[in-house]
Parts: sequence; C-alpha cells; structure tokens
Amino acid sequence: KAGVTQTPRYLIKTRGQQVTLSCSPISGHRSVSWYQQTPGQGLQFLFEYFSETQRNKGNFPGRFSGRQFSNSRSEMNVSTLELGDSALYLCASSFTGSAMAEAFFGQGTRLTVV
Amino acid sequence: SQKIEQNSEALNIQEGKTATLTCNYTNYSPAYLQWYRQDPGRGPVFLLLIRENEKEKRKERLKVTFDTTLKQSLFHITASQPADSATYLCALDPLKAGFQKLVFGTGTRLLVSP
Repeated sequence: KAGVTQTPRYLIKTRGQQVTLSCSPISGHRSVSWYQQTPGQGLQFLFEYFSETQRNKGNFPGRFSGRQFSNSRSEMNVSTLELGDSALYLCASSFTGSAMAEAFFGQGTRLTVV
Repeated sequence: SQKIEQNSEALNIQEGKTATLTCNYTNYSPAYLQWYRQDPGRGPVFLLLIRENEKEKRKERLKVTFDTTLKQSLFHITASQPADSATYLCALDPLKAGFQKLVFGTGTRLLVSP
C-alpha cells in the first residue's frame, strides 16, 4: 500500500511569508501528527488530528496551525515565517492515533526560510 | 525538567558485533516506549514498541529492554551489519492519555564498519 505522502519535498521562503504543507496519510488511517525536526532540538511534536479534530497540541506559537479534511488529508500552515522555522517537517499517520499504535512517517518537507 | 537523553556521540562498531544504544528519561512515567530508525533525508521508521510492564521485547536481531526503575531503555542490534548504519531514536508517550503525542530523544548515530 502507498505510504505517507508529503508535498512539497523542498521549499524556500522569505521571512514574513506564510507556507502551507500537505500530508496524505496511508489509506484508512484517521490520525495525522505533525513534527518539526531540527539539528538542535530533534523531533518536536506540533499537533495531532483525528477525524478532523485537533486532539493534542505541542508547545509551538499560534503561527503554527493545521487542519484535517474529511478524507484524512492534513495541512499545516506557518504564518509570518521566521529564520528559526527552517526545519524538516514530518507528518506521521496511524490507524487510531493511540499511543501504542505504530506511526508511519512521510519523507518530510524541508523548509528553508531566508 | 522533563527530558530524554540519548548518546549524542556516534557509536562506531565492527560488523558482527552487538550494538547497544541507551535512552534515559527524566520526569516522565511513560506507558510505552518506542524505537525508530532514521536514515538521512528520510522520515523515521518504526522498529519496536515496549510497554511499561514488559521487561524485554525481541524482533529478529533487535532487542529492547525497559527498566522503569532506572528510567532507561536499552536497544540492542546483534550481529550488526553495515546496512544497520543509521540514526536510532527513542520516543515515549508522556501523557498516558492514550493519544499519540510522542516525545523523541535526539537520536544516536550508529556506524557499522565492514
């Protein structure tokens, strides 16, 4: 079966702009989580959606937002980009979103803010 | 403060030897702990999950132990191969809320030389 698909793979944006990243989960998976990965901080949880509802949120500013559609596809948006937002953004899908469920990660979107 | 620590230094071993990676956590009481493998430019891939009431879990050449008293998990790869070279991440569920909100360590890079 097809894996988790993230688009685009690479993005270059200017400070102050906004960006939207997309994640298509594995078919049948209803939970999508988003993570930010940087060399200094590692993988940090952004938020998790299940059946179009945000169930959990990490400690990121309100500039980071997301949503999930009825087909489980998810988008995350970052407004007013800062240089520190440069990172690999990963999404992960799972069937239930349970803490004991295996999470399947996409290849990520590499965002560079200049 | 809460944190998860993995050896930041790369672990270099020879092919055929057993690699042992450490994950220590502070101020968490996780119900589950997971291990992932990440190759450069790719998302993490799930390897094993161990529950708090399990001492040890095995899968082929992989073995994970979980000591909730020491607040430590050890990840072993026996008969290591150059193809095992990657970064290995531990992750835990900090909330016991049942929802997926994984907290990751920063990972340990494993290099297996022929």
